[in-house]
Amino acid sequence: AQSVTQLGSHVSVSEGALVLLRCNYSSSVPPYLFWYVQYPNQGLQLLLKYTSAATLVKGINGFEAEFKKSETSFHLTKPSAHMSDAAEYFCAVTKRSGTYKYIFGTGTRLKVLA
Amino acid sequence: SAVISQKPSRDICQRGTSLTIQCQVDSQVTMMFWYRQQPGQSLTLIATANQGSEATYESGFVIDKFPISRPNLTFSTLTVSNMSPEDSSIYLCSVEDHRVGEQFFGPGTRLTVL
Repeated sequence: AQSVTQLGSHVSVSEGALVLLRCNYSSSVPPYLFWYVQYPNQGLQLLLKYTSAATLVKGINGFEAEFKKSETSFHLTKPSAHMSDAAEYFCAVTKRSGTYKYIFGTGTRLKVLA
Repeated sequence: SAVISQKPSRDICQRGTSLTIQCQVDSQVTMMFWYRQQPGQSLTLIATANQGSEATYESGFVIDKFPISRPNLTFSTLTVSNMSPEDSSIYLCSVEDHRVGEQFFGPGTRLTVL
């Protein structure tokens, strides 16, 4: 079975500060891991994904995440927050084979303070 | 990547009625997924729809309540039947791209049941 835990349902950072959104996963098989962003009244947009290549994954809008197998983590970071980063962020896990049934975390709402 | 559209984008419905949500993809895909996102919560998979076969429902979801059609490789519908206020949610469809190992999401249908 697979699961995802996102620590912190709400995170606030100042504009220009480091963004760190936490995601821990559980999987009995090698996983694929994803970060999605959802802006108000919109669908989900893929930020980045880990699919067994480099453990440090760079995505869109300056975001990156590092896959750490020993810690079963896939935390999302951005060096400098921008007001436009305010959104809901979801971590998801799936198996590498078979149907790509995604398991989503509960989400983290990022607030960026001026 | 796949471009996905959904109709309607939002609706307000009366208790006891049914609403059919359409999902259109700009390319042929094997698997389509329907998710529910209740207010302030994460995404929960309702069912997986393959063209030419019955949809596969997740635990807690039944065909009588959420009948799904998948008449061809670019289209699917989800019906929310005999609605109650608890059905107020965002409903999203997604498609799977095996080649890149990820899902692409539609913009969602925001349903309010009075």
